Order: sequence, then C-alpha cells, then structure tokens
Amino acid sequence: GQQVMQIPQYQHVQEGEDFTTYCNSSTTLSNIQWYKQRPGGHPVFLIQLVKSGEVKKQKRLTFQFGEAKKNSSLHITATQTTDVGTYFCAGEGTNAGKSTFGDGTTLTVKP
Amino acid sequence: DGGITQSPKYLFRKEGQNVTLSCEQNLNHDAMYWYRQDPGQGLRLIYYSQIVNDFQKGDIAEGYSVSREKKESFPLTVTSAQKNPTAFYLCASRQDRGVGNEQFFGPGTRLTVL
Repeated sequence: GQQVMQIPQYQHVQEGEDFTTYCNSSTTLSNIQWYKQRPGGHPVFLIQLVKSGEVKKQKRLTFQFGEAKKNSSLHITATQTTDVGTYFCAGEGTNAGKSTFGDGTTLTVKP
Repeated sequence: DGGITQSPKYLFRKEGQNVTLSCEQNLNHDAMYWYRQDPGQGLRLIYYSQIVNDFQKGDIAEGYSVSREKKESFPLTVTSAQKNPTAFYLCASRQDRGVGNEQFFGPGTRLTVL
C-alpha cells in the first residue's frame, strides 16, 4: 500500500533559525496536504498542493510539491515560539477518499 | 457554531470491555474518518465513510467497528479484540468524498484501558 515517509522526526532550533521538513511518498500523489498539531491539540489544516512543481507561501511558510508529485517540503523562515508543534504531511493517491499521513516532524523552538 | 465534536475528552475502561467513542459534525460533510494516534507517531486510519450507510476499512481496522446511520454521526466502537487500545482517537470530516479538500478534525478522545 501507499507509504508516506517524513523526516526528520524531531527538530530543535533556536528562535530565528530556519526549519524544513520533508515528505516522500512511495507512489505518485494526486495531492498533498500539510497540517499542524499543537501540543495537546488536534491537527489543523495548513495548505493543499495539487500541481507538479507547485510552490505556495503563507507568510514565513513555504510549501513545495515535487515535479514527480512524490515528494513535498515545508520550510519555515526565522522560526518563532508560536511555530512549536508537529507538522504532518498527508498524501492522497489515485484512490480518492482517503489520505496517508506521515509520522510528522516535531518542532521545538528555544527562545 | 459549526464543527466536529467528540466525546468524552478522556475515557477510562477496564480491559475486556467494549467502548464507543462519539463523533458528530454539523458541517454537512459527506466523508468522515477515524484515526488513531500513538505518542510520537502519525495518524493511522482505522475506518472511513464516504456516504451514509457505507464505510470502508482503513489500515488498522482489526478490533474496531463503526456505523454510519446518519450523515452527521460516525461512532467508533473499540472492542475487546483490540490488543492495545490505549491511544488518542481523532475523528475528522471533509466536504467531498472525492479527491482533495481539507479534513476538519475534532478535539479527540484519549482512551486509557486499565
């Protein structure tokens, strides 16, 4: 079945440093979504990428979808303490209706 | 106030007992999902339903059962056959049962089996 790998599992940064998490799928995806889960909370949708090579920005966050639609990345510029949490990617294959989540990258930010 | 509700937030049960987790949404979404999350891990799909009176097994359906008698409700039963039921359970819904569209998550239920 479809597998989605996400690295790194943990990332500790000093406030102001950049952060990147990577997501790789074993199969070609129709789309990929990114979610953020704060400690003790539930996942909240950030963005969806659909097109090959797509790049989207949300303030300090930059999301990319690979040309082959099998990998994606999330980059945060100049991290802040409010960025703390676990970031998940969720890939949807051609079997419409369900997504496979990566194991997430947990970001901690030291003030 | 639209959204997804899950109850209870914390649940304790004795080993060998079945337990049913509630999930209700008033977003008029077609599709609903149940995930299990273990500490430090991602979300694993238990069951999903794309339409009323129909549901499919996810990746870890053994020891669980669901029903979808109403569009707004998708309860999950954790049976005694589930070997390691202690976990954080998340319910989600989305508008379209086709490809794409974001999932909206409920606040989750933390189940502890003693």
